[in-house]
Amino acid sequence: DVKVTQSSRYLVKRTGEKVFLECVQDMDHENMFWYRQDPGLGLRLIYFSYDVKMKEKGDIPEGYSVSREKKERFSLILESASTNQTSMYLCASSGPGTSRNTQYFGPGTRLTVL
Amino acid sequence: EDQVTQSPEALRLQEGESSSLNCSYTVSGLRGLFWYRQDPGKGPEFLFTLYSAGEEKEKERLKATLTKKESFLHITAPKPEDSATYLCAVDTDKLIFGTGTRLQVFP
Repeated sequence: DVKVTQSSRYLVKRTGEKVFLECVQDMDHENMFWYRQDPGLGLRLIYFSYDVKMKEKGDIPEGYSVSREKKERFSLILESASTNQTSMYLCASSGPGTSRNTQYFGPGTRLTVL
Repeated sequence: EDQVTQSPEALRLQEGESSSLNCSYTVSGLRGLFWYRQDPGKGPEFLFTLYSAGEEKEKERLKATLTKKESFLHITAPKPEDSATYLCAVDTDKLIFGTGTRLQVFP
């Protein structure tokens, strides 16, 4: 079974703090993704990566950055957290090729920025 | 603009009362359509992938079908444990998600 894990289930941070969200997958997947999910807006793609040290902007990259130093790990960084970044953050991974392959999701991190 | 719309937004069913969820889409090039189940506070769980019109997939009480403009998720004789939000996503060169249908099944 594919397993995608995220470092925290719940996180509370203060405005202006730097926040790191970690995601690890154990299926040797090339592709990894970060989404945020908000009520009424669905899942929106923040960043994705097709390979180690490679990253591509998604639909809403502003205020975020990512790092992929190892194939199994994809980190999302909030450089200076703001209240409008309070959300559910979901990491996903998929196999070789582009996003036509099935994406498997982690359990999510519920981030609250005060 | 590529778009995915799910209906209804919410659905309440009595246990055993069969129904269907709809996912309609307008995209320039469909590579596949995915259905996910999401329980509150958790990440989406993969259910089905459909690639071409006419294709059907089944799993327990769920059956997904696909036409050129929409997909249906049929739920036959649902049980309370089927209560969840069901998401569909269309694969163009990236996944575009609908906002989901929140299903509640009462005993």
